[in-house]
Parts: sequence; structure tokens; C-alpha cells
Amino acid sequence: AQTVTQSQPEMSVQEAETVTLSCTYDTSESDYYLFWYKQPPSRQMILVIRQEAYKQQNATENRFSVNFQKAAKSFSLKISDSQLGDAAMYFCAYRSRNDYKLSFGAGTTVTVRA
Amino acid sequence: GAGVSQTPSNKVTEKGKYVELRCDPISGHTALYWYRQSLGQGPEFLIYFQGTGAADDSGLPNDRFFAVRPEGSVSTLKIQRTERGDSAVYLCASSLIGTAPSTDTQYFGPGTRLTVL
Repeated sequence: AQTVTQSQPEMSVQEAETVTLSCTYDTSESDYYLFWYKQPPSRQMILVIRQEAYKQQNATENRFSVNFQKAAKSFSLKISDSQLGDAAMYFCAYRSRNDYKLSFGAGTTVTVRA
Repeated sequence: GAGVSQTPSNKVTEKGKYVELRCDPISGHTALYWYRQSLGQGPEFLIYFQGTGAADDSGLPNDRFFAVRPEGSVSTLKIQRTERGDSAVYLCASSLIGTAPSTDTQYFGPGTRLTVL
């Protein structure tokens, strides 16, 4: 089974500043997908960004970008110009291309200070 | 519908009782997944449906848990003789195709918070 590790239980950021969330994973596969999901108090798990392992270019979605280091098995999420609405739990997830199950990390709670 | 919906939003039951949790996937999605999220943890896989059949139920913790998807759309997760350890948020997700290899993204519902007293 794949292991996804998020080593930061909590992160705090000032509004308009930048915060980076860490994620590492363990796999023997070469073709896989990585995801960051956001879970606000409403519990709705929202897809933030997705990265295909075969793509060297880092994915970007508006204020959200990733730093994907395949050799290091690292997949960090950068939130730029943080907004109050970014406050939530963030989960890193892994899926092999040959599988359908998502493996999640334990999550990082992001607090945004006004 | 526009997204995955789950009912009820919250369910409180007593130890030993039977509960049913319902999931309505995104229209047209053939794959449906159930995950369980314990307090302070990430979701863990329970079961996966491709159409009407359970393609993988390896994540179900024991035989008290069962899920069905009789018409290939709505799914019901059933828990018999509930125990306090079953308390968690039960999340449902759906995706367009599901079968591997796949480029699918899974879209989640808001979950059902189950509390067993």
C-alpha cells in the first residue's frame, strides 16, 4: 500500500501572504497521480489541484501551485495571496494510474489570520 | 445533479442499531467509492463500484458493513449492529469511468457524520 505523509498538522498564515504545505509519498510505481484536496468545516472535499507524474511541469491553478519533485517523492502545495476563505484542512492524496483507490495523508489544518 | 449528494448529513444512533447511508453520484458517473474518515485523519477507502457491481470491497472493516448500488446510480452503505468505533464521517465519491488505467478525478460529497452512542 502506498503511504502519504503530511508532516505539518497545522499551519498559520497572514492574509495576503504565502504558505507552503508539505507532502511526501512512498511508491514503487512510475505512473501515478497526485492531488491536493481542501476540506472546509462543511466537510465537502474539494479538488484544489492535480499533477500527473509523467509531466515535469508543475501544475498551477490560480493562486495554488505545486512543487513536484519526483525523485524525492515530494509534492508540496503553495498558496499565494492567502484569503480568509482558504482556511480549511488540506489533504494530499495519491493514486496509481493502474488503480482507483485514493490514499490520503493525515491532513494539514490551515488557519488564515486577518 | 450538479454534485455528489449524501443523506442524511448527520446520523446519531445507539450501539447495536442498524443504519443506512445514501449517496447520489454525479449524473453519468459509472464509478462510485465509499471512504471513511475518522476524527483528525484522512479518508480511508472502503468499497468501489463499477456500475452495479462491487469491484473491490477490500476496505470494508468486517461483515457488519455492506453496500449496494442496484441500478448503477444511487448507492447505500449499510452498517449492522453498530459499534462506538464506527463513529466517523462517511464520504462518497464518484468518477466518470473508474476502471484502471484511468485519468479519472474523484469528486466527493459532503459526507454523513455518524455518531454511535
